[in-house]
Amino acid sequence: KAGVTQTPRYLIKTRGQQVTLSCSPISGHRSVSWYQQTPGQGLQFLFEYFSETQRNKGNFPGRFSGRQFSNSRSEMNVSTLELGDSALYLCASSQGLTPGNGYTFGSGTRLTVV
Amino acid sequence: QKEVEQDPGPLSVPEGAIVSLNCTYSNSAFQYFMWYRQYSRKGPELLMYTYSSGNKEDGRFTAQVDKSSKYISLFIRDSQPSDSATYLCAMSSNDYKLSFGAGTTVTVRA
Repeated sequence: KAGVTQTPRYLIKTRGQQVTLSCSPISGHRSVSWYQQTPGQGLQFLFEYFSETQRNKGNFPGRFSGRQFSNSRSEMNVSTLELGDSALYLCASSQGLTPGNGYTFGSGTRLTVV
Repeated sequence: QKEVEQDPGPLSVPEGAIVSLNCTYSNSAFQYFMWYRQYSRKGPELLMYTYSSGNKEDGRFTAQVDKSSKYISLFIRDSQPSDSATYLCAMSSNDYKLSFGAGTTVTVRA
């Protein structure tokens, strides 16, 4: 079966711009989580959605937002980009019934802010 | 102090050796424990999933969780060059948020 698809794979943006990243989960999965990965901070949780509802949110500023659609696809948006937002953004999908179980990650979107 | 501590290594072992990885944590609410493997330019791949304390074995991989010591381990037997990757521990309570360790970079030498 198809895996988790993240688009685009690479992005270069300028400080102050905004960006939208997309995640298509595995068919049948109702949960999508987003993580930021940087060399200094590692993997950090951004938010998790289940059936269009945000169940949890990490400690990121309000510039980071997300949503999930009725077909379980999810988008995350970062407004007013800063140099420190440069990172690999990963999404993971699962059935969403047990924390951490059955999570499948996509290959990520590499965002570079210049 | 981080919620999950993991020695970043790097760790280099000869082919066939046992690889031993571990993490410690401070949040006693964690109940779900995972090990992920991440290759360069790829997302993490779930290797082992354990609920609460105990051992779990899957092929060459064994995961151990000791909640009383807040310590988890992963052992890889008969290591192969294809096992060369970064290994990440992760854990969660009931909040659907994974807390990751920093990851340990492992190289298995042929």
